Amino acid sequence: EDQVTQSPEALRLQEGESSSLNCSYTVSGLRGLFWYRQDPGKGPEFLFTLYSAGEEKEKERLKATLTKKESFLHITAPKPEDSATYLCAVLQETSGSRLTFGEGTQLTVNP
Amino acid sequence: SQTIHQWPATLVQPVGSPLSLECTVEGTSNPNLYWYRQAAGRGLQLLFYSVGIGQISSEVPQNLSASRPQDRQFILSSKKLLLSDSGFYLCAWSVPAGTQYFGPGTRLTVL
Repeated sequence: EDQVTQSPEALRLQEGESSSLNCSYTVSGLRGLFWYRQDPGKGPEFLFTLYSAGEEKEKERLKATLTKKESFLHITAPKPEDSATYLCAVLQETSGSRLTFGEGTQLTVNP
Repeated sequence: SQTIHQWPATLVQPVGSPLSLECTVEGTSNPNLYWYRQAAGRGLQLLFYSVGIGQISSEVPQNLSASRPQDRQFILSSKKLLLSDSGFYLCAWSVPAGTQYFGPGTRLTVL
């Protein structure tokens, strides 16, 4: 069975303090790994899709990387507005269009 | 560009009452459509998905049902709500095996 585990569950950072969020996965045949940002009371907002090990994507202060077992979301010099829950999801080759989500990491950036 | 709408935004219903949540997508044709439920502080649980009009796949047995009467309309229903049906309901769309894009969500409270 596909499994997606995110760590830590919660992370508190000071503004400007860089860190990384982890998403480890166990799937047979990864078709894609997705990162979303979710603000309280809102729907998830798409950030990145990664397709193969070694791939990296960047957007502002965020950079996502992918290996054969895990993905990292690196946050460089975060600001309070980066506070949100970050969700990771995987698409497996034989699952059609169905995503398997992790439980998320709740990030708080203090000013 | 594509837009996804959900309504209502919030709903408070008594136990045993019926439910109808609606989701519509604009700016795309033949999308895959999805209903998810999210418990507080948790990840997303896929409830139903549809690859076309009248085609519904159920992921989790429960007292909810889904219908797709039109290409870009997806409806989540229940004949009798349970307390355990409370949660945050999210609709999403994608092209086949593509990135899923989420709506704003409906907060359902069953009393």
